[in-house]
Amino acid sequence: NAGVMQNPRHLVRRRGQEARLRCSPMKGHSHVYWYRQLPEEGLKFMVYLQKENIIDESGMPKERFSAEFPKEGPSILRIQQVVRGDSAAYFCASSPTRADGFGKLFFGSGTQLSVL
Amino acid sequence: DAKTTQPNSMESNEEEPVHLPCNHSTISGTDYIHWYRQLPSQGPEYVIHGLTSNVNNRMASLAIAEDRKSSTLILHRATLRDAAVYYCILRDVNNQGGKLIFGQGTELSVKP
Repeated sequence: NAGVMQNPRHLVRRRGQEARLRCSPMKGHSHVYWYRQLPEEGLKFMVYLQKENIIDESGMPKERFSAEFPKEGPSILRIQQVVRGDSAAYFCASSPTRADGFGKLFFGSGTQLSVL
Repeated sequence: DAKTTQPNSMESNEEEPVHLPCNHSTISGTDYIHWYRQLPSQGPEYVIHGLTSNVNNRMASLAIAEDRKSSTLILHRATLRDAAVYYCILRDVNNQGGKLIFGQGTELSVKP
């Protein structure tokens, strides 16, 4: 059973370009979470999605960032008009059900975004 | 989710036990205690979780104080591969949001 797959592993963009980060959850998982880790900082929650629905986007920046998890295919985190401050590691996690107090999240290896 | 307090860093020698403490004095009765760790250049991985009783699994043991205001993650024999940042996280069983809130964690270094 493959784990959470994120691609690309590394992504380089110039300022002003768009970045698209993909996350394929583990088989049978219908809940996806995106986190961002800035250099020398901790993991910050961004957004929580179920199939075709955004459940919690309280950690998403108000502009340029969007996320989707369509009925078919991977979850996508999109960053428009990237700036140098967007350079970070972006991690995706999945869970089979609503991750309540005794559930656990499975994380991917992340996408390292570098903005030149 | 309630707040936890962990030391910023700890050191251990290879093949010796490691006790990683976590304080959570404001824990509520419905909070589970979860531990995750993040190896260098990797995503976090689940280690263990518990509610009231001590827990053991193949990776570690979790000792929970009787008043639940603190807990300790125990690695019985540290290896070089255990060098990571360890996060102690409280999760309310009634949490509808599902997200994990990570603190700064404890950076564990293991010396050969």
